[in-house]
Amino acid sequence: NAGVMQNPRHLVRRRGQEARLRCSPMKGHSHVYWYRQLPEEGLKFMVYLQKENIIDESGMPKERFSAEFPKEGPSILRIQQVVRGDSAAYFCASSPGVGTAYEQYFGPGTRLTVT
Amino acid sequence: AQRVTQPEKLLSVFKGAPVELKCNYSYSGSPELFWYVQYSRQRLQLLLRHISRESIKGFTADLNKGETSFHLKKPFAQEEDSAMYYCALSGSSNTGKLIFGQGTTLQVKP
Repeated sequence: NAGVMQNPRHLVRRRGQEARLRCSPMKGHSHVYWYRQLPEEGLKFMVYLQKENIIDESGMPKERFSAEFPKEGPSILRIQQVVRGDSAAYFCASSPGVGTAYEQYFGPGTRLTVT
Repeated sequence: AQRVTQPEKLLSVFKGAPVELKCNYSYSGSPELFWYVQYSRQRLQLLLRHISRESIKGFTADLNKGETSFHLKKPFAQEEDSAMYYCALSGSSNTGKLIFGQGTTLQVKP
């Protein structure tokens, strides 16, 4: 099992552009979490998705951010019209079931830099 | 509000010395707490969870509800323990989303 895959590993965008971050969960995992880590801070929960459903998006900024996890393919975190404050490391985690009984397996992260 | 606080940004000890990484939390229900570790150039991974009450790589952590703490301890630090350690709280047992502390870098000197 290759583990959780994220791409790209590094992404540079100019202000106003769109950023698309991809997360392929581990085989057999249908639960995906996205976390954001700003410089000098811990990881902050953004959104929890199951296949084709957003279950909890309480940590997502209200504007410009969206996430999806289609029936086929990776989960996508999309940031429209990026600003400098979006520069951060974005981590994806997957698990085989819902709730804390199941371990979350983390990907290597995508480092987004907005210039 | 649900919050996890790790007061030390950096903890530096000598090999063989005891280690205690502090974690305090704020939560209005029955918390589930975890320690995650990130070694250099590796992914974040689960080290231990309070509910399993196990010792992993010599580390233990006891949940103290009175002091709202979940400190990570090891009696004799090893150089390979050098890493970034994050304490985390489950904000919802239904969704499993995690609330992380700011992290503590443990540096074990030879």
